[in-house]
Amino acid sequence: DVKVTQSSRYLVKRTGEKVFLECVQDMDHENMFWYRQDPGLGLRLIYFSYDVKMKEKGDIPEGYSVSREKKERFSLILESASTNQTSMYLCASRLPGGTEAFFGQGTRLTVV
Amino acid sequence: GQNIDQPTEMTATEGAIVQINCTYQTSGFNGLFWYQQHAGEAPTFLSYNVLDGLEEKGRFSSFLSRSKGYSYLLLKELQMKDSASYLCAVSPSDYKLSFGAGTTVTVRA
Repeated sequence: DVKVTQSSRYLVKRTGEKVFLECVQDMDHENMFWYRQDPGLGLRLIYFSYDVKMKEKGDIPEGYSVSREKKERFSLILESASTNQTSMYLCASRLPGGTEAFFGQGTRLTVV
Repeated sequence: GQNIDQPTEMTATEGAIVQINCTYQTSGFNGLFWYQQHAGEAPTFLSYNVLDGLEEKGRFSSFLSRSKGYSYLLLKELQMKDSASYLCAVSPSDYKLSFGAGTTVTVRA
């Protein structure tokens, strides 16, 4: 059974904290993605990676960075969390040109 | 950037048919996807179109017209469990996948 695993389902962090969201996939996929999902806005792409150490900005990268040191792991970093980063964060992976992207269960992050 | 539009909400009766439209303008095209997402859960894959025409998979069908930048998802014989958000997504390249805001479908008895 294919799997994308996000390290936490729920997180509460304080404003200004550095936050790490971890995502691991077991399908040997080259492409990995981080999205945030907010009511009425759908899934918005933050960053994606198409290979180890390779990354590209998505549509809303401001305030975020990412790390891809190993093929199976893609981390999203909030350098200094702010309340407007309270959201549901979804990780996904996919083969290049693949027909399906697989999603993790999501991390609901609350910044207080 | 990418521009993907779909209606915000739709309501239909159990047993009926509902069609969810999606229009897109993207810098490239490498396929169009439909995902289903129940509240509090991750999106799950429904269909993929890369060539013009209709793809049928059980009660769900998806249509694509690349020249018009248009797709629709057709849900037949609606069931209560079909109440969910339906997300249209476009892959403008081998690497990227961009989503519309989603259409919330409510099925009433």
